[in-house]
Amino acid sequence: QVQLQQWGAGLLKPSETLSLTCSVSGGSLSNHYWSWIRQPPGKGLEWIGDINHSGSTSSNPSLKSRVTLSVDTSKDQFSLKLDSVTAADTAVYYCARSVLIPAGGIIVFLGMDVWGRGTTVTVSS
Amino acid sequence: EIVLTQSPGTLSLSPGERATLSCKTSQSVSSRYLAWYQQRPGQAPRLLIYDSSNRATGIPDRFSGSGSGTDFTLTISRLEAEDFAVYYCQHYGDSPEYTFGQGTKLEIK
Repeated sequence: QVQLQQWGAGLLKPSETLSLTCSVSGGSLSNHYWSWIRQPPGKGLEWIGDINHSGSTSSNPSLKSRVTLSVDTSKDQFSLKLDSVTAADTAVYYCARSVLIPAGGIIVFLGMDVWGRGTTVTVSS
Repeated sequence: EIVLTQSPGTLSLSPGERATLSCKTSQSVSSRYLAWYQQRPGQAPRLLIYDSSNRATGIPDRFSGSGSGTDFTLTISRLEAEDFAVYYCQHYGDSPEYTFGQGTKLEIK
């Protein structure tokens, strides 16, 4: 059973860089996409970006200029860096597995089926 | 960008009742790219439905999804105490790849 364990600094000052890592156990990074999603206090979910085992990435245009995604296949880990944080970046950050399957020339989305427990990140001076 | 609008914002029902949650997309989308999640307080979201109508592994059959075009529905046939939570619909598409609705809170009446 695939599980995701995530960690990173929970308290940042404005202008610092948020850094989170998610480790995959019970499986490998291969054949899936790995996403980061965040949830501000009392609000909904916002997709940040994703990466696959080859290092191919995609990011939300609203955050793209500040986001760096990376993968370490030797450790089955993937990471998120978000530059120049402000109070608006205060949120619970989740990592998750996205299941995208090629079928008959099209891509079928089978959902984000495995999630980390979340890391609370607070940005405050 | 496709916008997902969920209604109602809050739904107050009693255990045993039927819940119907709506998700409307700002333009027609393929049903194969529509998913639903449940989020209980303090927990990560949990995948319920993918491909608009397929239950994820381990999801009870009281949960069902339907819809096409711009109108999608999550139905919970007989509510149990553990079902009171927030529900999100999600679309997989282009730029951004994933968008979520704002959520529907299902609360005990």
